[in-house]
Amino acid sequence: ETGVTQSPTHLIKTRGQQVTLRCSSQSGHNTVSWYQQALGQGPQFIFQYYREEENGRGNFPPRFSGLQFPNYSSELNVNALELDDSALYLCASSLVGKGETQYFGPGTRLLVL
Amino acid sequence: AQSVTQLDSHVSVSEGTPVLLRCNYSSSYSPSLFWYVQHPNKGLQLLLKYTSAATLVKGINGFEAEFKKSETSFHLTKPSAHMSDAAEYFCVVSDPTPLVFGKGTRLSVIA
Repeated sequence: ETGVTQSPTHLIKTRGQQVTLRCSSQSGHNTVSWYQQALGQGPQFIFQYYREEENGRGNFPPRFSGLQFPNYSSELNVNALELDDSALYLCASSLVGKGETQYFGPGTRLLVL
Repeated sequence: AQSVTQLDSHVSVSEGTPVLLRCNYSSSYSPSLFWYVQHPNKGLQLLLKYTSAATLVKGINGFEAEFKKSETSFHLTKPSAHMSDAAEYFCVVSDPTPLVFGKGTRLSVIA
């Protein structure tokens, strides 16, 4: 069984740029959720994708957007990067109808300068 | 709205002594509750999960948690701490989604 993988592991961008983060879900899972974890804080829910559609969104502006592909992998896109976007971005996959246990990837650490 | 309060930001114990990490939750429904652990520069690993079955939940690595509805608590315990337990621990509520995390408790284990 393959776990959740994310790429890249680290990324440095400058303010105003755009970034795309990628996530491959665990084998057999059909739902992907994205979280932002600022330094010293707990993860905050960004959004969730199920069957290639957004299925819930946290308190994040529209410049945070995502995609889910037919193989259930996912992308998180952030436009017009701000310094406060510097964080660890975590992807989690789950199987709808199975108690919603989410399994997390190792994360992508984004630094915005 | 659901929320989680982890009562201690930092807990320090000696190796071989018991561990207690405290968590209170607020939920308008019958929630699922989780504990996740995060080692430095790593992702989150599920320790255990409560979903309205037995109130005492056993997890990995000797950890367990007890759901107390009357106290709205879900404290995490371990009888004997090991050096490898040093990490950040998050209490999480799901009602049912999304996951709402506490701010975390950093566990230090002293040799």
